[in-house]
Amino acid sequence: GDSVTQMEGPVTLSEEAFLTINCTYTATGYPSLFWYVQYPGEGLQLLLKATKADDKGSNKGFEATYRKETTSFHLEKGSVQVSDSAVYFCAWGGANSKLTFGKGITLSVRP
Amino acid sequence: GAVVSQHPSRVICKSGTSVKIECRSLDFQATTMFWYRQFPKQSLMLMATSNEGSKATYEQGVEKDKFLINHASLTLSTLTVTSAHPEDSSFYICSARDRVLNTGELFFGEGSRLTVL
Repeated sequence: GDSVTQMEGPVTLSEEAFLTINCTYTATGYPSLFWYVQYPGEGLQLLLKATKADDKGSNKGFEATYRKETTSFHLEKGSVQVSDSAVYFCAWGGANSKLTFGKGITLSVRP
Repeated sequence: GAVVSQHPSRVICKSGTSVKIECRSLDFQATTMFWYRQFPKQSLMLMATSNEGSKATYEQGVEKDKFLINHASLTLSTLTVTSAHPEDSSFYICSARDRVLNTGELFFGEGSRLTVL
């Protein structure tokens, strides 16, 4: 069935390290893809999105490219900061359908 | 950007009482709102889809008589946890879709932490 698979966590990195969080999806059609971030004690915020194949979403130094051939939307950042410590969710959805979320992954960045 | 506001952010109640959580879209109209429950270790569970002017659609395993959802206007949906018990303690998050944007993107409220004693 329709699903989103995120890499297992948690992930702990030192400040300025390179970050990759893998996400693959199983869906019919051509959904939009999203990364959401949840800071401690808060709701979810949209981090970036891509609405069609080969689109690259970017925000706050984070990037992800919609790869239709590999059904992936991996999140990357070249140099993480302590303030990036949060839970990251990958999701997909159509314009009129619910969003399907991955399980989320906790990122902790050490000074 | 689009803002979704949830209220209350935290609520503590006694077992057997009912609690209402409000979800408002502040600067856009939302024909569809979604209610999620977030368990420890962060996984999100979709509880129901709330459609303005019609009955909510509940996910399998969610008791519709226990979690009452009302979407009376294009900017307000409410979730009422009836006869709450300690196992209902959780973080409840609502989200809304802008009826104009049509990109599939959801805007989330800040969440409501329910503690049932």
